[in-house]
Amino acid sequence: GAVVSQHPSWVICKSGTSVKIECRSLDFQATTMFWYRQFPKQSLMLMATSNEGSKATYEQGVEKDKFLINHASLTLSTLTVTSAHPEDSSFYICSASSSHEQYFGPGTRLTVT
Amino acid sequence: AQSVTQPDIHITVSEGASLELRCNYSYGATPYLFWYVQSPGQGLQLLLKYFSGDTLVQGIKGFEAEFKRSQSSFNLRKPSVHWSDAAEYFCAVVPSGSARQLTFGSGTQLTVLP
Repeated sequence: GAVVSQHPSWVICKSGTSVKIECRSLDFQATTMFWYRQFPKQSLMLMATSNEGSKATYEQGVEKDKFLINHASLTLSTLTVTSAHPEDSSFYICSASSSHEQYFGPGTRLTVT
Repeated sequence: AQSVTQPDIHITVSEGASLELRCNYSYGATPYLFWYVQSPGQGLQLLLKYFSGDTLVQGIKGFEAEFKRSQSSFNLRKPSVHWSDAAEYFCAVVPSGSARQLTFGSGTQLTVLP
């Protein structure tokens, strides 16, 4: 149980385009989902906390207009990277929360050319 | 300030040797404690967790961790390492009673020699 999926697993896009990443909790309902960013050989950096039916809470320094988060249902949250630039290239990981635990998706590798 | 520290950036052990990865936290009260493992290009897998009770926690893949309140530590151990254990290991905490927001340590990269 407690499986979280992400789609796509990797994506390459051109600079200036937008990319949407989906995070789904497959076998449980998650009122809260989290989005992380991870640079090579570094730890996970929390970008935002997403609660179903309400606006996401962004961490300091994260541009909310650039990283649009939508949590429309108890099993789906999306992260849209708008007007992507090469510096947005990274590994994006989502997690879904149940009780005191977080279950992580497999991550999405974004490369902006 | 609240923090999680993994003092060892990189550890190398021989296959079959024992392993201990260190984790220290700085919180006002005992938080909930977790250890995760991440293989290259993959998400995180939960190895074990501590909420309360017995301070020695058993996890998956033969890992265990011991919570020591006096040392504010939650070190991860394995008696005999396998080559497949080579990965990045993250200690993480959630303040007890909080909104489940994890804070991660900086990670420890484990290399296993044949």
